[in-house]
Amino acid sequence: GESVGLHLPTLSVQEGDNSIINCAYSNSASDYFIWYKQESGKGPQFIIDIRSNMDKRQGQRVTVLLNKTVKHLSLQIAATQPGDSAVYFCAENRVNAGNMLTFGGGTRLMVKP
Amino acid sequence: GAVVSQHPSWVICKSGTSVKIECRSLDFQATTMFWYRQFPKQSLMLMATSNEGSKATYEQGVEKDKFLINHASLTLSTLTVTSAHPEDSSFYICSATGTSGSYNEQFFGPGTRLTVL
Repeated sequence: GESVGLHLPTLSVQEGDNSIINCAYSNSASDYFIWYKQESGKGPQFIIDIRSNMDKRQGQRVTVLLNKTVKHLSLQIAATQPGDSAVYFCAENRVNAGNMLTFGGGTRLMVKP
Repeated sequence: GAVVSQHPSWVICKSGTSVKIECRSLDFQATTMFWYRQFPKQSLMLMATSNEGSKATYEQGVEKDKFLINHASLTLSTLTVTSAHPEDSSFYICSATGTSGSYNEQFFGPGTRLTVL
């Protein structure tokens, strides 16, 4: 994914519903894909990662899906809670490029009580 | 574990002055530290990569003489914004990598908000 524009896309969901946040990436040579959560005025917080040779990985209330055919990554949050409200970024990691991270543009998740 | 701190958390300075931001890995040795800049409602943009004891590698478009990076120890990197101008106002975030895990996961600091008047 590439950082684009000045307006973050926003996903608004009702508390308790499931959320799906999407990300498109461009570099097929990436080794890992990582999802981060960033609350206002704070640094990014690691949520979950997935290796490029996998297509699904589950964590606590979160699932990451990787579709290498269309270069698409998604983060699914089950039973979304108000505390999940934040900006979510996907990032690509290339081990052979000094473990550089390239961040996507981000999506703002707003959870309505 | 894997805590990264930044100091200060926010700073306001006058145009033309220099500002130093510190990034520390508190409970691990960071072989590599990264500096990012984030403008409002935008993503993180990598500014430079710094390895302990060597010169930083700057991304294209980032002026190395304006953004001085020093990585003097395995737990401390500093970013100095020299002759700051209002357009340098931004949120500066550092990250650090150790050697654990299957890849060198980056642990992020809480960020420093710089406002240049």
